[in-house]
Amino acid sequence: DGGITQSPKYLFRKEGQNVTLSCEQNLNHDAMYWYRQDPGQGLRLIYYSQIVNDFQKGDIAEGYSVSREKKESFPLTVTSAQKNPTAFYLCASSPPGHTSGNTIYFGEGSWLTVV
Amino acid sequence: AQSVTQLGSHVSVSEGALVLLRCNYSSSVPPYLFWYVQYPNQGLQLLLKYTSAATLVKGINGFEAEFKKSETSFHLTKPSAHMSDAAEYFCAVIKYGFGNEKLTFGTGTRLTIIP
Repeated sequence: DGGITQSPKYLFRKEGQNVTLSCEQNLNHDAMYWYRQDPGQGLRLIYYSQIVNDFQKGDIAEGYSVSREKKESFPLTVTSAQKNPTAFYLCASSPPGHTSGNTIYFGEGSWLTVV
Repeated sequence: AQSVTQLGSHVSVSEGALVLLRCNYSSSVPPYLFWYVQYPNQGLQLLLKYTSAATLVKGINGFEAEFKKSETSFHLTKPSAHMSDAAEYFCAVIKYGFGNEKLTFGTGTRLTIIP
């Protein structure tokens, strides 16, 4: 089945460690996104990529890094510079369409907890 | 700048009663508007979207929303609530950025169904 797969579902990070969240899609979508979700704050955009080998900062990119070496993959690294990384992370993708209002599809999310 | 405001972080309705979740938008251009639903520990699923066609938009699971330009609103309704409707609901608007669309989300409304 086509979809977006995020892994792991649950991840624990020690202080000072970098961790990487995986996101893979087989929908043949060009654009991919990472959102962070905190209670009462909705979803906030971390990074997005419109095409392979290109990505842009979102609203809260500090302390995060991404790569887009393949169309299907958009991993997110949460670095030690991110001071409050405990959150629910959602990966998403969408087909191209600058003004068409194309639907953005979401993965099942990953929980990251600092211990 | 495009943004959305969801009125009421928590809404409770009795099973069988009308569901009304409020969303107001601000946009300097005709917006594309979305409603997403999120069940616990899962990603977001599209309920419906408005892309400047019919102002009354029908979605999945019996939900619908009406775009009212004069009120800058896009409220979500369902005539008769079901226990399975208990979830968090997010209104979102397309934020036009460089090259592709980005969704800007409201802070969400948690819907509780009372048996």
